[in-house]
Amino acid sequence: AQSVTQPDIHITVSEGASLELRCNYSYGATPYLFWYVQSPGQGLQLLLKYFSGDTLVQGIKGFEAEFKRSQSSFNLRKPSVHWSDAAEYFCAVGGYQAGTALIFGKGTTLSVSS
Amino acid sequence: GAVVSQHPSRVICKSGTSVKIECRSLDFQATTMFWYRQFPKQSLMLMATSNEGSKATYEQGVEKDKFLINHASLTLSTLTVTSAHPEDSSFYICSARGGRGGNEQFFGPGTRLTVL
Repeated sequence: AQSVTQPDIHITVSEGASLELRCNYSYGATPYLFWYVQSPGQGLQLLLKYFSGDTLVQGIKGFEAEFKRSQSSFNLRKPSVHWSDAAEYFCAVGGYQAGTALIFGKGTTLSVSS
Repeated sequence: GAVVSQHPSRVICKSGTSVKIECRSLDFQATTMFWYRQFPKQSLMLMATSNEGSKATYEQGVEKDKFLINHASLTLSTLTVTSAHPEDSSFYICSARGGRGGNEQFFGPGTRLTVL
């Protein structure tokens, strides 16, 4: 079955500290992987994506993610968190075929403490 | 990147009425559009997939007679919530794929539906 697991429902990080949000996936074909961020009441903003090539991908706002095929993981990282990073983060997986929808994880809520 | 719009952004309606939500790809042709539903503090759940000119494919548990989807052109898909009830209140998000988007889906900003 195709699925995305985000093991951490809620994470609190001190401002300036590093962050890692975990994402594991199960997908029958070559996965295309995404991280989105959503602020309350807002739509989704794409942080970064992985289709192929270099397994370490850089995104916006200083985020990066590393694709590890052997671990079926695509963890999101940021070296220094800012208070404005507090939001909901979703990992998603999709396929190459045009009619393939994205499958989302349940999300991780990030709180930033001062 | 490619832009997807949704209209309206917010709608409040009375129970029993029907509400139409539009999803448009503004600068590319969307061969496939998707409709998602998001309850408060929950993830996005795929409701249906629509391809231009053909009937939508609904996910298990989604009532096709309740949520009518039309994908009449390569730039427009509509979701009509028929005879809406309070339990239909939710955040509805569309996404579009195709054209220069290739393997990526582009998401609209979402529509907040509140049924009184």
